[in-house]
Amino acid sequence: KAGVTQTPRYLIKTRGQQVTLSCSPISGHRSVSWYQQTPGQGLQFLFEYFSETQRNKGNFPGRFSGRQFSNSRSEMNVSTLELGDSALYLCASSLNRGVTEAFFGQGTRLTVV
Amino acid sequence: GIQVEQSPPDLILQEGANSTLRCNFSDSVNNLQWFHQNPWGQLINLFYIPSGTKQNGRLSATTVATERYSLLYISSSQTTDSGVYFCAVVQGNKLVFGAGTILRVKS
Repeated sequence: KAGVTQTPRYLIKTRGQQVTLSCSPISGHRSVSWYQQTPGQGLQFLFEYFSETQRNKGNFPGRFSGRQFSNSRSEMNVSTLELGDSALYLCASSLNRGVTEAFFGQGTRLTVV
Repeated sequence: GIQVEQSPPDLILQEGANSTLRCNFSDSVNNLQWFHQNPWGQLINLFYIPSGTKQNGRLSATTVATERYSLLYISSSQTTDSGVYFCAVVQGNKLVFGAGTILRVKS
């Protein structure tokens, strides 16, 4: 069974640009969540998608958005990139919402210059 | 919101030594997971352990939900055990992570 797949693995962008990251969950998993990891703030929740609907959002500005497709694949978008958006972005896949085990992808390391 | 505290923040071990990592949380939880973050950044699942004790090879974990803590035991440590260990609990359908324990195992 394939794990959680995130693409791309590495990305370098310039301030002001936008970026789209992709996450394919484990087959059969319906919940996808995104997390941002930085040295200063640790691992922080961005948002959660289930059945193509955003169910939960963390304390991030509106420049951070996402969506989920009917096959449960998810994308997150960051517009008007800032230097502070440089981080490791991790996607988690769960069978259902809430009290089910989460599995993470390898992450996308975004560098904004 | 729920607070998750991990201790110690850093740990240096000689290969073959044993260690105990602790995770305290401020409210009752229905889900607790331990992860190992490898050098490439991926979070590897170690245990899904809302309560009780589980063992997997040299690793074991115990969660005492009523006292709001969980312990991760690493026995006979190896250099490949180096990395960051996180515990995370579920609050409102999202994982809340501790700050992690950085483990360095020296040969």
